[in-house]
Amino acid sequence: GAGVSQSPSNKVTEKGKDVELRCDPISGHTALYWYRQSLGQGLEFLIYFQGNSAPDKSGLPSDRFSAERTGGSVSTLTIQRTQQEDSAVYLCASSSFDRFPDTQYFGPGTRLTVL
Amino acid sequence: EDKVVQSPLSLVVHEGDTVTLNCSYEVTNFRSLLWYKQEKKAPTFLFMLTSSGIEKKSGRLSSILDKKELFSILNITATQTGDSAIYLCAVESGAQKLVFGQGTRLTINP
Repeated sequence: GAGVSQSPSNKVTEKGKDVELRCDPISGHTALYWYRQSLGQGLEFLIYFQGNSAPDKSGLPSDRFSAERTGGSVSTLTIQRTQQEDSAVYLCASSSFDRFPDTQYFGPGTRLTVL
Repeated sequence: EDKVVQSPLSLVVHEGDTVTLNCSYEVTNFRSLLWYKQEKKAPTFLFMLTSSGIEKKSGRLSSILDKKELFSILNITATQTGDSAIYLCAVESGAQKLVFGQGTRLTINP
């Protein structure tokens, strides 16, 4: 597609349930990033993929969070046993990573609400 | 710890005014500084700055970086109501990681 897409756009879940968030990067972009933005806070880095590998997982807030990327394209961010503090907008970005420096292009985000 | 601080956090002006948004940073391995405009959920890219003293300009928006004093400013002249948004500053630090500031919420009143 023309831009980064994410699904679902909105997700409401009950505390304790697992959720999966999906990101489709721009075709050909090898680098993919997950961020989250909580109310009133700046964007928080979660994880970065280069191809299918994740050299930097330093931002994942707990072991309930995991992410994978297959085929160097689509990525899924999974949150297990969701908590209310997980409520946020989860943003995905991709970049071509073929020059320095790179521009990251953001998707529309998934708004997660944990009741 | 890498840090990006934006000021002011909130700004309300009248249409036609000129505004200056500030971004200061402390990062271990600076690569670039980026400005984004966020109107809904996804920030849209405005500028990328890597060199000191070179102004980047796009219409009524302009930005400049000072790598010695570790800050950048974003100027918007002749503001319009459509400029109302959150403006995010981010610094690329090392291994393809972006560190974002809190953002400045800009409101332009007619």
